[in-house]
Amino acid sequence: NAGVTQTPKFRILKIGQSMTLQCTQDMNHNYMYWYRQDPGMGLKLIYYSVGAGITDKGEVPNGYNVSRSTTEDFPLRLELAAPSQTSVYFCASSQRPASTDTQYFGPGTRLTVL
Amino acid sequence: GESVGLHLPTLSVQEGDNSIINCAYSNSASDYFIWYKQESGKGPQFIIDIRSNMDKRQGQRVTVLLNKTVKHLSLQIAATQPGDSAVYFCAEIFQGAQKLVFGQGTRLTINP
Repeated sequence: NAGVTQTPKFRILKIGQSMTLQCTQDMNHNYMYWYRQDPGMGLKLIYYSVGAGITDKGEVPNGYNVSRSTTEDFPLRLELAAPSQTSVYFCASSQRPASTDTQYFGPGTRLTVL
Repeated sequence: GESVGLHLPTLSVQEGDNSIINCAYSNSASDYFIWYKQESGKGPQFIIDIRSNMDKRQGQRVTVLLNKTVKHLSLQIAATQPGDSAVYFCAEIFQGAQKLVFGQGTRLTINP
């Protein structure tokens, strides 16, 4: 049982490039989340999903897209990378809604946009 | 608007002493509060949670206190150990919401 895994661990992008951050969980959780964490700050919700085929925007969705074709996977897509997207990205999952259940976090992806 | 803040960005304690990390929240509708520990280079790790119908909850070496009157949350760590060095975040959410609101974080360092 690996929990929540994320790839890659590190990535450097040039402005305007695109990439997909991968997230997989093996706990059969319904709810999955993407957060970003800027230096010295708490986490901010980008997108979340309440189940396969269902996604919704969080607090800071601009510049990102997500999909949820399976229960296990929740990739985050950056289409046109900008320096403001330099951050550490965390994926999380929970069995029940965020207001009733703890979230389990992956190790993060550190992204730098130059 | 919604916000969760911390009184101190850094806290330094002697090994073996008790640590108290404080958190203020502004949304009186929040009814679920969580403390996370984040070690360097890792994702947040759940420590303890508390619901608004409780004032205190204890775990192993940790206690969370909730004062709804002044909208204040605290995390107490007993007999602090070197392995407790990390950044601690409080987070809040209200029933039906999906957005967990995190505070800025407090860095706890342990002096030998």
